[in-house]
Amino acid sequence: KQEVTQIPAALSVPEGENLVLNCSFTDSAIYNLQWFRQDPGKGLTSLLLIQSSQREQTSGRLNASLDKSSGRSTLYIAASQPGDSATYLCAARTAYNQGGKLIFGQGTELSVKP
Amino acid sequence: NAGVTQTPKFQVLKTGQSMTLQCAQDMNHEYMSWYRQDPGMGLRLIHYSVGAGITDQGEVPNGYNVSRSTTEDFPLRLLSAAPSQTSVYFCASRGQSHQPQHFGDGTRLSIL
Repeated sequence: KQEVTQIPAALSVPEGENLVLNCSFTDSAIYNLQWFRQDPGKGLTSLLLIQSSQREQTSGRLNASLDKSSGRSTLYIAASQPGDSATYLCAARTAYNQGGKLIFGQGTELSVKP
Repeated sequence: NAGVTQTPKFQVLKTGQSMTLQCAQDMNHEYMSWYRQDPGMGLRLIHYSVGAGITDQGEVPNGYNVSRSTTEDFPLRLLSAAPSQTSVYFCASRGQSHQPQHFGDGTRLSIL
């Protein structure tokens, strides 16, 4: 059974710092892995999607990597800004079950202080 | 550019009442799904559909029904609301298999 873990649960950094959010998964047979951002009281906004055949994806100041052999994905945020404050969720889609069910981690709540 | 639209945004029900949470997408996506989000439990799949006329159960389907009569709409029905169904409900859709899932803004449901 696929399990997804995000550590730490919360992170506070000063503005301008580069930071890495971690996501671990137990079953390497993933189809892809998706990173989301969730603002308080809001829905999930898709940030990056990495296919199982890819090693990384980039969008602006965000870079996501995937290492299936070690069961890890990281989200790198460069030059953090207060507007980056939100909860970041990773979700693994396993290759073989339930039509594309996403298994979510519990999220990392990021606070960027001015 | 509506994407995935959920209605209502907020709802309060009494135990035993029934209601339907609406979800519509305008991206012609075949795959649609419903998740609930609870503190400490994360997001869990309730039901999903891979196309019109096809639905299946997810991880936590008890107490919920779905139907998919059109590609655009995927309503979630609570048959007899219970306090344990107090949650935030998200609808999601996806196009082709390798594409990302898109989520609606959620429905915040309280059962008294």
